[in-house]
Amino acid sequence: KAGVTQTPRYLIKTRGQQVTLSCSPISGHRSVSWYQQTPGQGLQFLFEYFSETQRNKGNFPGRFSGRQFSNSRSEMNVSTLELGDSALYLCASSLNSGTNTYTDTQYFGPGTRLTVL
Amino acid sequence: AQKVTQAQTEISVVEKEDVTLDCVYETRDTTYYLFWYKQPPSGELVFLIRRNSFDEQNEISGRYSWNFQKSTSSFNFTITASQVVDSAVYFCALKASGNTPLVFGKGTRLSVIA
Repeated sequence: KAGVTQTPRYLIKTRGQQVTLSCSPISGHRSVSWYQQTPGQGLQFLFEYFSETQRNKGNFPGRFSGRQFSNSRSEMNVSTLELGDSALYLCASSLNSGTNTYTDTQYFGPGTRLTVL
Repeated sequence: AQKVTQAQTEISVVEKEDVTLDCVYETRDTTYYLFWYKQPPSGELVFLIRRNSFDEQNEISGRYSWNFQKSTSSFNFTITASQVVDSAVYFCALKASGNTPLVFGKGTRLSVIA
């Protein structure tokens, strides 16, 4: 079974631009989560989508947004890029039964490394 | 609120040495899940193990073993006879039940020198 895929793998943008990152989950997985990883802050949760609905959101400004499609693929968008947005953006998928009584393991993709100049 | 502390920022060992990576967690939930992930230089987080709060059995998988102790809120990871391929950043993570996010520690960078 193919793992989580993320495109593009590397991206260079300038301040003020916007960017869209894509994530394809493992086949059959319905939940997709996004994380930002920086040397200073470590791994921080951005948001989680399940059945095309945002189910959870981290403490990030509104410039960070996402969506999930009916095939569970997800995109995240960052508008008006700032230098501090330079990071590795990781996507994770989980099977997720959709209940609150069980937690599935999250499997991660290779990440998209975003550099903002 | 959930919190994970990995006090060891960097560890360097010589090949074939045993090494233990520490993880201490905080949560008020009675049902929670603990994870270890490995991040090699390629960047992808590789899942290693998961434990739920009701299962305190230690786990051994080849050269890897995990010690879960609720009394000390710790979930430590030991690599026996380390190899150069074990060089990576290792993350401990915690998730409470329900719609809560996965919370990561800051990670421990392990360097195994030949």
